[in-house]
Amino acid sequence: DAGVIQSPRHEVTEMGQEVTLRCKPISGHDYLFWYRQTMMRGLELLIYFNNNVPIDDSGMPEDRFSAKMPNASFSTLKIQPSEPRDSAVYFCASSGGVEQYFGPGTRLTVT
Amino acid sequence: TQLLEQSPQFLSIQEGENLTVYCNSSSVFSSLQWYRQEPGEGPVLLVTVVTGGEVKKLKRLTFQFGDARKDSSLHITAAQPGDTGLYLCAGADNYGQNFVFGPGTRLSVLP
Repeated sequence: DAGVIQSPRHEVTEMGQEVTLRCKPISGHDYLFWYRQTMMRGLELLIYFNNNVPIDDSGMPEDRFSAKMPNASFSTLKIQPSEPRDSAVYFCASSGGVEQYFGPGTRLTVT
Repeated sequence: TQLLEQSPQFLSIQEGENLTVYCNSSSVFSSLQWYRQEPGEGPVLLVTVVTGGEVKKLKRLTFQFGDARKDSSLHITAAQPGDTGLYLCAGADNYGQNFVFGPGTRLSVLP
């Protein structure tokens, strides 16, 4: 198995632009998680899905953030409009039980 | 809100030394996980502990879950440079999928 796949690996954009991050979970996993990691705040859970349905989005910082999971093999995290304080590494993880498997992350820089 | 604290925040030791890092909370968790994260990569799961008082060993790493399921420790024997990384603990709520991560202990093992 290729593991959790994220794209792009790096994204540099200007303030105000829309950013879309993509994730392909491990086949057969029914949970998908989006995290954000910064030096100041560490690793924060943004939202997680079970069987493509959002279960808890209380970690989504504000309305500029949205996440979708149209099918079991694909999820997106969108930021519109982006702001410099959104700069971070965004991780996607999937799980078939208790253990979570993380992707390599997308490093987002908003200038 | 469940919060996890980790100590020490940073640790730099010589190859061959032993060390222990701690993960503490005032909340009870249904399970607790330890991850290691290397630069530019996502966290990789090391172990999951579920039962209060549980001890698990993974080669030179020994993990213990506190009797009250509020704290955990990770002990490394004869540390090696390959153990260098960010060690994160994560606690799961009663549903078992909403994880809270600690800020991490950044370990550096010098040859």
